[in-house]
This record gives sequence, structure tokens and C-alpha cells, in this order.
Amino acid sequence: EVQILETGGGLVKPGGSLRLSCATSGFNFNDYFMNWVRQAPGKGLEWVAQIRNKNYNYATYYAESLEGRVTISRDDSKSSVYLQVSSLRAEDTAIYYCTRSGSWELGVMDAWGQGASVTVSS
Amino acid sequence: DIQMTQSPTSLAASVGESVTITCLASEDIYGSLVWYQQKPGKSPQLLIYGATILEDGIPSRFSGSGSDTQYSLKINSLQPEDFASYYCQNGLSTPWTFGGGTKLELK
Repeated sequence: EVQILETGGGLVKPGGSLRLSCATSGFNFNDYFMNWVRQAPGKGLEWVAQIRNKNYNYATYYAESLEGRVTISRDDSKSSVYLQVSSLRAEDTAIYYCTRSGSWELGVMDAWGQGASVTVSS
Repeated sequence: DIQMTQSPTSLAASVGESVTITCLASEDIYGSLVWYQQKPGKSPQLLIYGATILEDGIPSRFSGSGSDTQYSLKINSLQPEDFASYYCQNGLSTPWTFGGGTKLELK
């Protein structure tokens, strides 16, 4: 069974930083691309970042609105992916989902975690 | 970036009815259109990819169609568990942009 579990959410002050972790199991992590998608309260889905696998040289892609403040990384030995977010603002308040994409369907997110809640407030 | 525009933003229907949600891409996405369902308080779930391909385990009352810039999701014979929000997504190129969502409510 595919399992994706995000951790590291919480309350952060404006201007602060946060590192979200995503642990996975139940599939060959090395074969997949991984993404972060966020959803502000009562709003729609916003893709944040993608990291591809070793075959694609771990290429990373970011939403323009967040570029420069986010870094996605992965540790294949731990089947985990991470998202570092800095200079946090109130508008970064959201549930952050970790998702996987197959390397054959680059943008199709076929498995999602339950999400990590991030609240940016003083 | 490819912009995705969904309509309607909300829709009320009854159990047993059929509904259609549309998604318009700002440029040709060559059939690379993805649909997700999100139930309240839950994570999104993949329904359809490649505009028409049903993900494993998704009931056949869901179907997708379209090409170029215009796509649609049809749900036949609505079941109580289908009342949820639906999102389309550009699956052609990064940034992976989503439509604004359609909330399907019980009439």
C-alpha cells in the first residue's frame, strides 16, 4: 500500500522558516517524481514544487510565485522528500500536500499525503 | 504559464442526475488534462488523466472528454459520495497549474 506522510507543519511567525518532511513507503521511491501542492483555507490547489528522480538528474521546478523562497529536495535512501520555505508570509498559510508523479506521466499526481498544516501568524 | 479556467465554480444537483464540469486551457495542452476529486477535509484523489483515462478504482460513471483547449468531466447517475470539489490540472508542462475548482453540492 502506498503511504505518504507529511510532517513538520505548525505555527510560524512571519519572516520565519519551515522545513516540511514527507516520508513514503509502499512503492519504489526511486522511480517517481515528487511534488508539493498547497491549499490555502477555503481555496483551491496550488502546485509548489517538483523534484524529478535520478534518471532526470534530480531536476527541480518551482512555482514562480514562490521561487527564491522554497527549496525541494529528496533523499532516496530514506524514500523521503523535503520542502524548505523561508521568509514566510501570512499568505503561505495552507495545507501542504506531498504527492507523487510517475516519470511517464510527469504532471499526474496519483498519490497524495494527508497534508501538513502550516499557519503563519504573529 | 498555462491558465486553467473551470466552470461552473459551483453546481447543485440531485442524486441520480448527471452533471458536466468544463475546463478551458489558455493554450493547446494536447490532451494532457487531469481531473481530481476532493471531499471535505480530505486530500485530493486522482480521477482521470490524459483527458479520458480513468484511474484504477474510479467508477465508470465518471468520464472525461475533450481536446486542444477544451475539456469536460461528466458524472452520470450521481451518488451521495460524489458531492465534492473537482479540479482540473494542466498535465502538459510545468508549472502544473490547476483550475479554480468546482464545488458540487446536493440540491
